[in-house]
Amino acid sequence: EIVLTQSPGTLSLSPGERATLSCRASHTITNYLDWFQHKPGQAPRLLIYDTSNRATGVPVRFSATGSGTDFTLTISNVEPEDFALYYCQHRTNWPLITFGQGTRLEIK
Amino acid sequence: QPQLQESGPGLVKASETLSLSCSVSDDSIRSSSYYWGWLRQPPGRGLEWIGSMSYKGNTYYNLSLKSRVTVFSDTSKNRLSLEVTSVTAADTAVYFCVRFYPSRFYYYIDVWGKGTTVTVSS
Repeated sequence: EIVLTQSPGTLSLSPGERATLSCRASHTITNYLDWFQHKPGQAPRLLIYDTSNRATGVPVRFSATGSGTDFTLTISNVEPEDFALYYCQHRTNWPLITFGQGTRLEIK
Repeated sequence: QPQLQESGPGLVKASETLSLSCSVSDDSIRSSSYYWGWLRQPPGRGLEWIGSMSYKGNTYYNLSLKSRVTVFSDTSKNRLSLEVTSVTAADTAVYFCVRFYPSRFYYYIDVWGKGTTVTVSS
């Protein structure tokens, strides 16, 4: 089973700063990685699919890269509405999908 | 994109069967383009895939739950359903309904419901 480890667990930043969220896989997962944002009381939202493709309506300040076992989600200038939980998820072994444990982006 | 709305009993007694529904706001559940599925998140724990189904009705389940879960749909009502038998406290979780969209690499989740909380009581 491929395990995804996200770091840091919590990231404390001020609006306008740059956020870098990491997702590391225990084995190579090629491009089958997605990122989601989850705010309390809301449905989780797809941000990035296939490693680096922004979903419809996602602001350009969200970007992502990665390959092999190391993947990164970057928020270039954090806006107040970006403070939330972020999950990475892979589907290398589709239909089985697994998630990282999440990174909480909080206001400093 | 459609809206997905989960509904269920909220509280289920141990050893009984949990039944959840997911209403889809459009008729995309009848489309051959998508897969549909259920995930859950127990308190303080990560997201866990439960199972998925294709338009043709092919179903796929997490091996850890396979003997107890059934995913099915009623396309005439634009509804996806989940049943979990013989529930225990370990089945206490927020349950999410999701839609999978085709990608170059299998399918990715493009729409989620807000989730519904289920508590199993003894």
